[in-house]
Amino acid sequence: GIQVEQSPPDLILQEGANSTLRCNFSDSVNNLQWFHQNPWGQLINLFYIPSGTKQNGRLSATTVATERYSLLYISSSQTTDSGVYFCAVEPGTGANNLFFGTGTRLTVIP
Amino acid sequence: GAGVSQSPSNKVTEKGKDVELRCDPISGHTALYWYRQSLGQGLEFLIYFQGNSAPDKSGLPSDRFSAERTGGSVSTLTIQRTQQEDSAVYLCASSLVLANYGYTFGSGTRLTVV
Repeated sequence: GIQVEQSPPDLILQEGANSTLRCNFSDSVNNLQWFHQNPWGQLINLFYIPSGTKQNGRLSATTVATERYSLLYISSSQTTDSGVYFCAVEPGTGANNLFFGTGTRLTVIP
Repeated sequence: GAGVSQSPSNKVTEKGKDVELRCDPISGHTALYWYRQSLGQGLEFLIYFQGNSAPDKSGLPSDRFSAERTGGSVSTLTIQRTQQEDSAVYLCASSLVLANYGYTFGSGTRLTVV
């Protein structure tokens, strides 16, 4: 099956710093989503981004489907950004479900 | 409803008992998905529904697991003869149509088998 690798696995930032999270995937995809899981376990959909670039406030994401990677940018990080960021993809073979990476655990310290 | 609702939020059960987990998706969402997340791990896909139909059940870990969806709305995940390795958070998500839209997740059911 499709492999989804995220890096780095862990990241500690000072409040106000910027960061880039990466997601590599091993095959073509129909769907790619970024999620934030907060410390209470709730998964929030950040972006639906199978290709191109999107921005939402301090967050933006870029997917280069032809090169099989996606990037999530966090600018001016805040303590509320802490949690685990997951990349999830639906293979182009039409599996009709998302396969999740192992996540990047972000800790933002004041 | 406004979001995906799951119940119960927490369930502690004795090994060998059956449990039933419920998911109420966003109204109008035709696709519904079940995932499992063990402590500190990523999400493991279990099953999806398009309407009331579950075309692929291969993600279910064993024949003790079953799921159904009725009326294109509420879904239940049943685990029979629970084992300790079934302990995890069971997450449900829904999307407007199958796959090609963003998922909305519920808050999950934390299952502990003692």
